[in-house]
Amino acid sequence: EAQVTQNPRYLITVTGKKLTVTCSQNMNHEYMSWYRQDPGLGLRQIYYSMNVEVTDKGDVPEGYKVSRKEKRNFPLILESPSPNQTSLYFCASSLGGGAYEQYFGPGTRLTVT
Amino acid sequence: GENVEQHPSTLSVQEGDSAVIKCTYSDSASNYFPWYKQELGKRPQLIIDIRSNVGEKKDQRIAVTLNKTAKHFSLHITETQPEDSAVYFCAASGSGGFKTIFGAGTRLFVKA
Repeated sequence: EAQVTQNPRYLITVTGKKLTVTCSQNMNHEYMSWYRQDPGLGLRQIYYSMNVEVTDKGDVPEGYKVSRKEKRNFPLILESPSPNQTSLYFCASSLGGGAYEQYFGPGTRLTVT
Repeated sequence: GENVEQHPSTLSVQEGDSAVIKCTYSDSASNYFPWYKQELGKRPQLIIDIRSNVGEKKDQRIAVTLNKTAKHFSLHITETQPEDSAVYFCAASGSGGFKTIFGAGTRLFVKA
């Protein structure tokens, strides 16, 4: 089954404790992206990757890191999480860039206390 | 920077009525305009999209129109049903197609 998976689905952590949210897709998509969803603000793009080893900043990259060492995986790293990073995070992938349908993962709800 | 404005933020209609959601974008290089539906607790899913070389596209009860000159596009849902209740997001991408800007979303309520 074609899908995007994320782990964990729920995470409660404390300020400053490094964490990684994994994202994996099995559709051989070149493009992957991370978004955060906050009430009243919609989906805001954090980082995106056009292919392996090629990443670029979205609109809200501060406090986040990404890497794309393999085509199928695109982890999101929060090196020192802060309470303002409490949010719902979605990973997405598409065939080739933002000009194609994006397939979203199930989401990760992160709470930073 | 680039932005996409979406209106209204909340829309309530009676079952069977039509619903219209409007978006405007700022980046004139945008050339792809998708609409996503997000049901409560679920992930966003594409319902329809339109590219800049097309003015209108229809899929059963859903249609999207694009006015590139005015930089706005709209989602039209006819004969609404309770299962259409969800949050709808418009988006715009272009400038190489790598960055995607989403609107803030419209919460649609369809009353039976």
